[in-house]
Amino acid sequence: QSVLTQPPSVSGAPGQRVTISCTGSSSNIGAGHDVHWYQQLPGTAPKLLIYGINNRPSGVPDRFSGSKSGTSASLAITGLQAEDEADYYCQSYDNSLSGAVFGGGTKVTAL
Amino acid sequence: EVQLVESGGGLIQPGGSLRLSCAVSGFIVSSNYMSWVRQAPGKGLEWVSVIFSGGSTYYADSVKGRFTISRDNSKSTLSLQMYSLRAEDTAVYYCARVRVGGTWWFDPWGQGTLVTVSS
Repeated sequence: QSVLTQPPSVSGAPGQRVTISCTGSSSNIGAGHDVHWYQQLPGTAPKLLIYGINNRPSGVPDRFSGSKSGTSASLAITGLQAEDEADYYCQSYDNSLSGAVFGGGTKVTAL
Repeated sequence: EVQLVESGGGLIQPGGSLRLSCAVSGFIVSSNYMSWVRQAPGKGLEWVSVIFSGGSTYYADSVKGRFTISRDNSKSTLSLQMYSLRAEDTAVYYCARVRVGGTWWFDPWGQGTLVTVSS
């Protein structure tokens, strides 16, 4: 059971906007800690997608964006593309556990 | 070019020990926080351990007392010594640089090394 809760899967037609939620608690996201997002393509290592709620590393398309409110955060993919099919993980820091925590991951499928 | 390359994974019996290594290039290991993150087959990511630039170390409760993180500054390597291995430690182990800006995030990641604990 992951500390951060994500939906197991989301899907959308190419070109559509999809969102992935990430729900935490008062000891992590609600404590003011930033949320970061990773993309894991099949058979590869995770790659940083969004850091500090809504900052994109160089090379990440601007169709990816993040937001945070209260004890939750969201990743949006605007204009879904076939190449975006992957697993996505949110991550934050937890005061009670004194370490990083991840969501269980969300599989994104382009229909 | 920044690169992290893990090695040392393999098949090990329950109760056994194994040492993972992560060769780093493109940045100075001792000046950065470094971490291990694992992923059980078909499962999500789990943070395992971190070593701060000052040398302090922290562990997830699931591995505390059994795993030890360390670094060799002269060889630019990060290590994870694992003792008393259990079936539930079976996973791909990734090393990653920890970026710090009020909180932690991981970038970049190595390609991972598979540890299988089974008799």
